[in-house]
Amino acid sequence: AQTVTQSQPEMSVQEAETVTLSCTYDTSENNYYLFWYKQPPSRQMILVIRQEAYKQQNATENRFSVNFQKAAKSFSLKISDSQLGDTAMYFCAFMIYNQGGKLIFGQGTELSVKP
Amino acid sequence: EPEVTQTPSHQVTQMGQEVILRCVPISNHLYFYWYRQILGQKVEFLVSFYNNEISEKSEIFDDQFSVERPDGSNFTLKIRSTKLEDSAMYFCASSDGVYNEQFFGPGTRLTVL
Repeated sequence: AQTVTQSQPEMSVQEAETVTLSCTYDTSENNYYLFWYKQPPSRQMILVIRQEAYKQQNATENRFSVNFQKAAKSFSLKISDSQLGDTAMYFCAFMIYNQGGKLIFGQGTELSVKP
Repeated sequence: EPEVTQTPSHQVTQMGQEVILRCVPISNHLYFYWYRQILGQKVEFLVSFYNNEISEKSEIFDDQFSVERPDGSNFTLKIRSTKLEDSAMYFCASSDGVYNEQFFGPGTRLTVL
C-alpha cells in the first residue's frame, strides 16, 4: 500500500522560532517525488517545497528545508524564523513515477504561529 | 499571477441527481487533476487527464464519474447519480509537466442531501 502518515495533527510555534513537521511514507517503489503543500485558512493549497527521491541533497526554499531520509522513508519539513503568515494546514505528499501525476497525501498538520 | 478557478464554490444537490463541477486550469498547462476531501479525512486523488485522455484514475473514480475538457479552457467533473457519500470538497489542479508542481483551485464544496 502507498500511504503517507503525518503524526502531528496540530502544532504551534512562537513567531521567529523554528518548527519541524514530521512525515513518513510507505511505498515499494524506488522512483518518486515528495512534496509539502500549505493551505492557509480559506485559501488555495500552494506548494512549499519539492524533493526528487533520487537526489540525496535535501531541498531548501528560503526559510523552508526538508530532512529526507530515504531508507527510513521520512520527509520532515523545517520552518525557520516562523512568521504569522506560516499559519496554515501543511500536507505532505508523494508522487510515484509513471502514475500519471497522482499525488498521495497525508492527513495534514495544522500549524499555528503565535505572536 | 495565473491561478486555477473553480465554480461553483458550493453546490447542494439531492441524492440521485447529476452534478457538474467546473474548473478553469492555468492556460498553458497540459495536465489536469481532480481530488476530493471528505470532511476530516485525507485529500484523495480521483483522476488525472492529459491529451484528452484519462492518464490515471483511483478506485473511487467509478462509472458514476466522468471528466471532460469540452472547449479547451474548462475541465469538468461530472457525477451522474450522486450519493450521500459523495459529499466532500472537490479540488481541481493543473500542471505544466506530469512531475511538476500542481496548482490547486480553491475547491467546490458538494453537499448531497
